Amino acid sequence: KAGVTQTPRYLIKTRGQQVTLSCSPISGHRSVSWYQQTPGQGLQFLFEYFSETQRNKGNFPGRFSGRQFSNSRSEMNVSTLELGDSALYLCASSLTPSAGGSYNEQFFGPGTRLTVL
Amino acid sequence: AQKVTQAQTEISVVEKEDVTLDCVYETRDTTYYLFWYKQPPSGELVFLIRRNSFDEQNEISGRYSWNFQKSTSSFNFTITASQVVDSAVYFCALSLVSGNTPLVFGKGTRLSVIA
Repeated sequence: KAGVTQTPRYLIKTRGQQVTLSCSPISGHRSVSWYQQTPGQGLQFLFEYFSETQRNKGNFPGRFSGRQFSNSRSEMNVSTLELGDSALYLCASSLTPSAGGSYNEQFFGPGTRLTVL
Repeated sequence: AQKVTQAQTEISVVEKEDVTLDCVYETRDTTYYLFWYKQPPSGELVFLIRRNSFDEQNEISGRYSWNFQKSTSSFNFTITASQVVDSAVYFCALSLVSGNTPLVFGKGTRLSVIA
């Protein structure tokens, strides 16, 4: 069974540009969550999508957005990039929403390392 | 709000030594899950264990063991007879059972096992 895949694995952009990252969940998983990992802030939750609807959102500015397609693949977009957006962006998938009620293990992808110059 | 603290930023041990990674959490909820994840250099987080707040039994899995103590809000992780392959960043995380709260991670502990 293929794991969570993220593309691209590495990305270099300049300030002011925008970027789109892609995540393909494990087959059959309908929930996709995004996290930002930086040395200073650690792992922070960005948002979660389930059945093409944003179910939860972390404390990030509106420059960070995402969407999910009918095949459960997800993209996240960051507009007007800032130096502080340099980070490892991790995607995780689970069968159903990961938070609340029943436990659903999240499986993480290898991440996309974004460098903003 | 929930919080997870991993006070040890970096730990370095010699192979075959035992090492304990500390995790202290804060939450007002009485039902929650606690997790440990391993992040090798490749980047992906690898799930190690989940513990329900109602289950304070310690768990052992091979060289790994976990000590959950609600009285001290701690969920510590011990690796016995460490190996070079254990070198990674380890994260402790908390998730509430009720509501719609996502995983809250600690800042992680970087473990280096030296041959």
